[in-house]
Amino acid sequence: AQSVSQHNHHVILSEAASLELGCNYSYGGTVNLFWYVQYPGQHLQLLLKYFSGDPLVKGIKGFEAEFIKSKFSFNLRKPSVQWSDTAEYFCAGHNAGKSTFGDGTTLTVKP
Amino acid sequence: ETGVTQSPTHLIKTRGQQVTLRCSSQSGHNTVSWYQQALGQGPQFIFQYYREEENGRGNFPPRFSGLQFPNYSSELNVNALELDDSALYLCASSEYRADTQYFGPGTRLTVL
Repeated sequence: AQSVSQHNHHVILSEAASLELGCNYSYGGTVNLFWYVQYPGQHLQLLLKYFSGDPLVKGIKGFEAEFIKSKFSFNLRKPSVQWSDTAEYFCAGHNAGKSTFGDGTTLTVKP
Repeated sequence: ETGVTQSPTHLIKTRGQQVTLRCSSQSGHNTVSWYQQALGQGPQFIFQYYREEENGRGNFPPRFSGLQFPNYSSELNVNALELDDSALYLCASSEYRADTQYFGPGTRLTVL
């Protein structure tokens, strides 16, 4: 069965701190991996995606993620967070026309 | 380019009733997927429609059904509503076999 798990339910950081959100996946075959962000009161937006090639992918707003096949991980990183990064972050895998999401990580950035 | 739109924004129903939610796909997209997002959880895949046919389904009972129209817009119908059906229902559109989906703002359904 396909599954995606996110380790941290709620992360609280101060502005300028570095961020790493964990994501592990379990899939039987090829999987494409995504990170989405949901700002308060807004809809899900794509941050970045990995299909193949360079395992380090860069997304919008300074976010990046690294695909580590041996660890079945796709962790999201940002060197220096801002107050405006406060949001919920979802990791997802997509295969055979279906997306499987993790339960999300709520990030609160204190000014 | 018009994004994914959903209606209504909010809806309140009572247990046992039926509900229809609507989604208009992004221009140029022919595939629509529906997700249920319960409070504190990630979106759960309900089903996907392509060329007016169901093209994949998650672990949801038959009382969850859908339609896709020739203009690629879609409806999600839920019969015999239960309290646990209270959730945010998301629609996402994409090109067929494309893994990148674009999400609408969702419909918040409350079942009392």
